Amino acid sequence: AQSVSQHNHHVILSEAASLELGCNYSYGGTVNLFWYVQYPGQHLQLLLKYFSGDPLVKGIKGFEAEFIKSKFSFNLRKPSVQWSDTAEYFCAVMDTGFQKLVFGTGTRLLVSP
Amino acid sequence: EAGVAQSPRYKIIEKRQSVAFWCNPISGHATLYWYQQILGQGPKLLIQFQNNGVVDDSQLPKDRFSAERLKGVDSTLKIQPAKLEDSAVYLCASSLAGFKGSSGNTIYFGEGSWLTVV
Repeated sequence: AQSVSQHNHHVILSEAASLELGCNYSYGGTVNLFWYVQYPGQHLQLLLKYFSGDPLVKGIKGFEAEFIKSKFSFNLRKPSVQWSDTAEYFCAVMDTGFQKLVFGTGTRLLVSP
Repeated sequence: EAGVAQSPRYKIIEKRQSVAFWCNPISGHATLYWYQQILGQGPKLLIQFQNNGVVDDSQLPKDRFSAERLKGVDSTLKIQPAKLEDSAVYLCASSLAGFKGSSGNTIYFGEGSWLTVV
């Protein structure tokens, strides 16, 4: 069974700072990878996804993530964060066989203006 | 395109009472998921349906939780009797994917049903 680790539980940044959130997964087979965002009081929204091809994936709101297969990692990045990026970020991995989606524990990001 | 619909949005019950949540997935989506998200944690898969069959219910506490997806469309999740630790958001999600071999599918989430057990 697959598992996901997000090592940063809480991150505090000032506006315009750069962001990188770590995500590592454990699974021996082919996977699809996702980052979801949850703004306070709102439902999960898809930020970006990796299925195949170019390992550098661009998502909405200026976010991007890079899939490094050899490291089983899918880190999320943004060059310059805004106050509105304050939210909880979840990395998730899906096995392509059974389509089971497993989430990490999440990273809470607080951006101070 | 309409999203995943869930109801009720909020529910407060006393322990040992029962509660039911309803989910209507995106039209045409074969796969339906129920997740439990406890405050401060990531969503945990409770059950996964493929059409009206169960694909995975290994983390569903079957002594108190049950779920069904009659006719392969809508689904209900029931808790009976509820415990304090069941306080959580119950998320329904759906995807277009068929079972096995359908890679590259995105799962879409509803807004969730917030349960508080007192």
